[in-house]
Amino acid sequence: AQRVTQPEKLLSVFKGAPVELKCNYSYSGSPELFWYVQYSRQRLQLLLRHISRESIKGFTADLNKGETSFHLKKPFAQEEDSAMYYCALGGRQGGSEKLVFGKGTKLTVNP
Amino acid sequence: NAGVTQTPKFQVLKTGQSMTLQCAQDMNHEYMSWYRQDPGMGLRLIHYSVGAGITDQGEVPNGYNVSRSTTEDFPLRLLSAAPSQTSVYFCASRDREAYGYTFGSGTRLTVV
Repeated sequence: AQRVTQPEKLLSVFKGAPVELKCNYSYSGSPELFWYVQYSRQRLQLLLRHISRESIKGFTADLNKGETSFHLKKPFAQEEDSAMYYCALGGRQGGSEKLVFGKGTKLTVNP
Repeated sequence: NAGVTQTPKFQVLKTGQSMTLQCAQDMNHEYMSWYRQDPGMGLRLIHYSVGAGITDQGEVPNGYNVSRSTTEDFPLRLLSAAPSQTSVYFCASRDREAYGYTFGSGTRLTVV
């Protein structure tokens, strides 16, 4: 079964401070990990995909298969980063695919 | 190119009523999914589809039906609405090789 755990419901940091949003997953197959961001009452937007290994809006995330983690990091948080962040796990088995989400972490960046 | 379009944006239903939430995408995506978003619960998968004529259940399928007669459309039917189905519903789609899922803007449903 696919499972995603985001241990922090709420995370509060000051502007300019580093931020790390934790994500752990459980999956027996080859995982595909994503981070999505949702600004207040808007649709979810894709932030990162582990395969691309790129940086979006200063955020990066590294897949650690040994620790089954995909933590999201940013060295200097900005107030506009305040949002809900969801880690998601995609899995393909038998030609089928589904995407499972964690419960999300609400990030607040204080001035 | 509209992306993923959901209608209606808001809906109030009485307990026991039925309705269909519409979802359409114009990107010729194979995969489509329905999620519900509830406070503290994140997004939970209701039903998903890997192509026209193929659907499967997600984590919370009870009380919902889907069908996929065309690639573009993936409607979600509430057979007999209950207050527990008050939620925000999101539809999403993805091409087999796409970067990730694209989400619609959501339908906020209240069942009284």
